[in-house]
Formats: sequence, C-alpha cells, structure tokens
Amino acid sequence: GDSVTQMEGPVTLSEEAFLTINCTYTATGYPSLFWYVQYPGEGLQLLLKATKADDKGSNKGFEATYRKETTSFHLEKGSVQVSDSAVYFCALTYSGAGSYQLTFGKGTKLSVIP
Amino acid sequence: DGGITQSPKYLFRKEGQNVTLSCEQNLNHDAMYWYRQDPGQGLRLIYYSQIVNDFQKGDIAEGYSVSREKKESFPLTVTSAQKNPTAFYLCASRVRTEAFFGQGTRLTVV
Repeated sequence: GDSVTQMEGPVTLSEEAFLTINCTYTATGYPSLFWYVQYPGEGLQLLLKATKADDKGSNKGFEATYRKETTSFHLEKGSVQVSDSAVYFCALTYSGAGSYQLTFGKGTKLSVIP
Repeated sequence: DGGITQSPKYLFRKEGQNVTLSCEQNLNHDAMYWYRQDPGQGLRLIYYSQIVNDFQKGDIAEGYSVSREKKESFPLTVTSAQKNPTAFYLCASRVRTEAFFGQGTRLTVV
C-alpha cells in the first residue's frame, strides 16, 4: 500500500535559519502531494500542494517540488520565523471518482527560537 | 464562512460512558473523515464516508461508531468498548484531492 515517511522531529531552528523537512513516499499510482500545517491545539491547514511530477507548490515562503524520480516532496523555507513553529505533515492522495484514501506522514514538529 | 465545525473543543468522559463528538460542514462536500491523533503517531483513520447513508471502517474503527444521515453531519461516537479513548480527534471533509479539517476535539477519560 501507499505510505509517507517524514524526517523525525523535533526540529529546532533559530529565527531566519533555512528549513528543510524531508518527505518521501511510496505509491502504487500517480498521487497528488501535500504539506499540511498544524498549529498548537488546532486542526490541519493546507500549506501547499503539487499534482504532478516536477510541479512546485509554494505558499507563505514555503516551497516543495514533486520529484517522481526520487519519490520525494521535501519542504523548504529560506528564512523561518517564530510564527512558523508548528507540526508539518506530508500527505498524498489520488484524484478520481471513488478514491477515498488520504495518507499522512507522522508529522514533524518545528520549533523556531528568537 | 464555509468550513468544518467540531464540538465540543474539550470533552471529558467517565469510564464506561459513551460520548458523541459532533462534526458539521457547510462546504457541500460528499466525503468526510474521522481521524485520531496521538503524540508521535500522526493521524490514524477511524471511519470515512463518501456519501450520505454510507460509511466505511478505517484502520482503527474498533470501539467507535458513526452515522451519516445528512450530507452536512458526520458524528462520531466513542463507545465504552474503546479502551484508550484519550486523544485528539479530527474531522475532515474532502473535495477532489484537497482535505479541510475542523479544529479538533480533545477527549480525556477521567
């Protein structure tokens, strides 16, 4: 079956540092890939997505590129802020009628210190 | 504003009691999901529903039950058969490939 593997956390960075959170996936088909963010005590929010190979998703300074050859979708940000402290989830799903599956990684907790 | 509303935000259950968590959406989405979140375990699927009056078990359905009598509503009941119900519960709906989440309900057994 499909699976998503994220780097283990927690990750602690100083403000303005460069962020990379690794995500690799195993898929039986051609999924769409996502990053969701969860702030403390809240639900998940969509951060960015990519629907096909070589697509780059971007939002709020975060970027991730769908790499089919390495089955990866790593999240990056050039300069993190304290407000980016949250848990980040990589996920995959499929389009098409009858496709219900949402597969999530275990999440990576990011703490940004001033 | 469209979205998913979960209630209550915090819920306390005594041993042996059933409790029901509410999930309502006004996004007109057919698919809805319930997830359980424990520290360090990510999200685990409890139940999902793709259409009114139909739902399917997820990976950890034992001790839980759901109904889907209306498109807007997908309540989750945590029964006394669930031996370790203390967790954060998330409801979601989906359109095409994108999922939308509620704010979650934190359930604690006292």
